[in-house]
Amino acid sequence: AQKVTQAQTEISVVEKEDVTLDCVYETRDTTYYLFWYKQPPSGELVFLIRRNSFDEQNEISGRYSWNFQKSTSSFNFTITASQVVDSAVYFCALHTGTASKLTFGTGTRLQVTL
Amino acid sequence: DTEVTQTPKHLVMGMTNKKSLKCEQHMGHRAMYWYKQKAKKPPELMFVYSYEKLSINESVPSRFSPECPNSSLLNLHLHALQPEDSALYLCASSSRIGSGNTIYFGEGSWLTVV
Repeated sequence: AQKVTQAQTEISVVEKEDVTLDCVYETRDTTYYLFWYKQPPSGELVFLIRRNSFDEQNEISGRYSWNFQKSTSSFNFTITASQVVDSAVYFCALHTGTASKLTFGTGTRLQVTL
Repeated sequence: DTEVTQTPKHLVMGMTNKKSLKCEQHMGHRAMYWYKQKAKKPPELMFVYSYEKLSINESVPSRFSPECPNSSLLNLHLHALQPEDSALYLCASSSRIGSGNTIYFGEGSWLTVV
């Protein structure tokens, strides 16, 4: 069975602070894909990144960076110098070869204030 | 801007009404999805279409009836809904089904059943 745990339910930071959103996954498959999505209040789920299980390279995209560590089954997401526009719910998700669907974590609500 | 468009953005319907949610994508994707999302919860898969054929039905009640008229369009017909069906309904698409394919979501349709 597949499982994704986002232990942080809500995080509040002040603008310009760095913040890390944690994601821990469980699967017995050796081939799998991990995703992060952002959901602002408008409702749309915005795709941020996809990472496959064979690629442990960390990735940076502007103020966003992702740290994938197979040894700890974690795929953490860091926002540097957070901005108010980063306020949203962030979902980590897992898709494996044997599963017919994405397994989502419960989401982390990020509130960035001035 | 999302390349998966959904209409209407908001819908209020009575329990005896018949209504439809519509979804369109022009990315050439051959897999399309309906998800349901309740407040403070992750999205839950309802249906998956692959090459215009229903591939997955996650034991959804028959008051929800999906339809895929062609590779670009996906509808969700609603009839005799209950107030507990009020939720955000998200349409999504991917190039194919399977774990290596990123799923792109639309902005969602907010449904209220009164």
